[in-house]
Amino acid sequence: GQQVMQIPQYQHVQEGEDFTTYCNSSTTLSNIQWYKQRPGGHPVFLIQLVKSGEVKKQKRLTFQFGEAKKNSSLHITATQTTDVGTYFCAGRGGQNFVFGPGTRLSVLP
Amino acid sequence: DAGVIQSPRHEVTEMGQEVTLRCKPISGHNSLFWYRQTMMRGLELLIYFNNNVPIDDSGMPEDRFSAKMPNASFSTLKIQPSEPRDSAVYFCASSLGTLLANTEAFFGQGTRLTVV
Repeated sequence: GQQVMQIPQYQHVQEGEDFTTYCNSSTTLSNIQWYKQRPGGHPVFLIQLVKSGEVKKQKRLTFQFGEAKKNSSLHITATQTTDVGTYFCAGRGGQNFVFGPGTRLSVLP
Repeated sequence: DAGVIQSPRHEVTEMGQEVTLRCKPISGHNSLFWYRQTMMRGLELLIYFNNNVPIDDSGMPEDRFSAKMPNASFSTLKIQPSEPRDSAVYFCASSLGTLLANTEAFFGQGTRLTVV
């Protein structure tokens, strides 16, 4: 079945450093969504990418969908303590919509 | 809008007891999802309803789990009998559109279930 992987599993950064998480699917995706979950909270939708090679920005966050629509990345510039949490990608391949295992980001002040 | 509302927020029960989790989706949303989150398995889709009809229940772990959606504003997830391995955070989410459409899911606060 469809599998969605994310790397790294954990990332510790100093405040102000950049951060990137990568999402890889075993199958071609029709779309990819990114969610953020704060510690003790619930997943909150960040963005959706649909087109091959698409790049979207939200302030310090940059999202990219690969040309082959099998991978995606989330890059945060100059992390802040408010960026702490787990970032999930989720993608639809065929009839299935699958969440990746997430990348847990901690930001040291 | 109050968002997706789940109850209870926390549930502690003894093994063998019946547990019922409740969810009120966002008004107007026609898709509802139940997810289970654990450290080991991450976020797992258990079941998905569209227009109150179960579309995909392939993620329901076993017959002890059942879900219903009697109307557009209410859904339940029942575990009977509960087992310690069912301990997890259960999320309900709703969206406008189907699983196949490009729509975001809005998650509730979750129910943290502990079975002892």
